[in-house]
Amino acid sequence: DTAVSQTPKYLVTQMGNDKSIKCEQNLGHDTMYWYKQDSKKFLKIMFSYNNKELIINETVPNRFSPKSPDKAHLNLHINSLELGDSAVYFCASSQARTGGNYGYTFGSGTRLTVV
Amino acid sequence: GENVEQHPSTLSVQEGDSAVIKCTYSDSASNYFPWYKQELGKRPQLIIDIRSNVGEKKDQRIAVTLNKTAKHFSLHITETQPEDSAVYFCAAAGEGTYKYIFGTGTRLKVLA
Repeated sequence: DTAVSQTPKYLVTQMGNDKSIKCEQNLGHDTMYWYKQDSKKFLKIMFSYNNKELIINETVPNRFSPKSPDKAHLNLHINSLELGDSAVYFCASSQARTGGNYGYTFGSGTRLTVV
Repeated sequence: GENVEQHPSTLSVQEGDSAVIKCTYSDSASNYFPWYKQELGKRPQLIIDIRSNVGEKKDQRIAVTLNKTAKHFSLHITETQPEDSAVYFCAAAGEGTYKYIFGTGTRLKVLA
């Protein structure tokens, strides 16, 4: 069974459209993340939720809105897509808890291409 | 702000040789340092991690060393194999911060 699953794997869309990416984890982790990986492979955090509470909200255009209906799900909605939004978006989860950090488990990524 | 520098950006080694990737972090509160391997078109996967109360950790052909005073840590891969070819990322995190700061990645090529 896939531990962190993202859908869709590929997304090609036109500028100005609105799209969503879904993420689900079955590891029982408390914390979930969205990372953006650009063409130079740089991994930059966008958002993080811990038990459905938003705990990290980096400098991201407000066209990007995360939603966590429960601690196993974290979705990303993007409004008015722009060419610069083209990237691979990774969802991740971790068993982060007070007293120590734990490694992330990443989803397989969503390659978003805006044309 | 928090920053993690990673060097080199690309590294080519002959099969069987060793490879070393170095990272330097800026936040002295960082206490957890994971390393990820990302093969082409795939997700990053955790390969080894080290916490600040430990100076070195080994797992078969890979090892990580940490120098807290100098604020740098390194990944060592011995007896490299073609399947080690990938992009490797270091990261640093402070306790309970939930956020990892990733390095810029090292593309390792192992030549057969």
